[in-house]
Amino acid sequence: EAGVVQSPRYKIIEKKQPVAFWCNPISGHNTLYWYRQNLGQGPELLIRYENEEAVDDSQLPKDRFSAERLKGVDSTLKIQPAELGDSAVYLCASSSPDRVLYNEQFFGPGTRLTVL
Amino acid sequence: GENVEQHPSTLSVQEGDSAVIKCTYSDSASNYFPWYKQELGKGPQLIIDIRSNVGEKKDQRIAVTLNKTAKHFSLHITETQPEDSAVYFCAASMDQGGKLIFGQGTELSVKP
Repeated sequence: EAGVVQSPRYKIIEKKQPVAFWCNPISGHNTLYWYRQNLGQGPELLIRYENEEAVDDSQLPKDRFSAERLKGVDSTLKIQPAELGDSAVYLCASSSPDRVLYNEQFFGPGTRLTVL
Repeated sequence: GENVEQHPSTLSVQEGDSAVIKCTYSDSASNYFPWYKQELGKGPQLIIDIRSNVGEKKDQRIAVTLNKTAKHFSLHITETQPEDSAVYFCAASMDQGGKLIFGQGTELSVKP
């Protein structure tokens, strides 16, 4: 089966500019996660969706970050305006409703964001 | 909240040797413990996991052990190969489908 797809793979922007990342989860996976991974660290959850509902966005910096998953499939994560400290890899992951009990999450390749 | 500590941060072994990475967690409610392998420029790949009702799990050259009393779990790789070189992350979760709390990662280098 196809894995989690993310685009773009790389993005370089000036600070204060907006940026958006797109994720297409594994087919049939209704749970979708956005994580941020800073250099040399493990991923940290930003937001989790169950279908189109955001069920955990406690770690999402809501003053500049937003996310949506309008039809319960693809998702977009946006930053506006970007700051230097937002430079990181943004990872999308998904899990199946059959396996959510066991929390097996499958990650995409990530989008590496550089803010200059 | 949950906190996961991982050691060592770097590990260098000779091909054919074994490698052990250890993690401790803080919240006794955690019940799911996956291990991920991350190669340069790629996303984390799930390689093995263990649930709280199991003490040990093995898959070919990879094994994971869990000690719930001590709140620590370990990854064991036997007969290491150069292609095992990567960054390995442990993680813990306490909620069904909930967020994973990751350790800081271990950079494993297997020298031919």
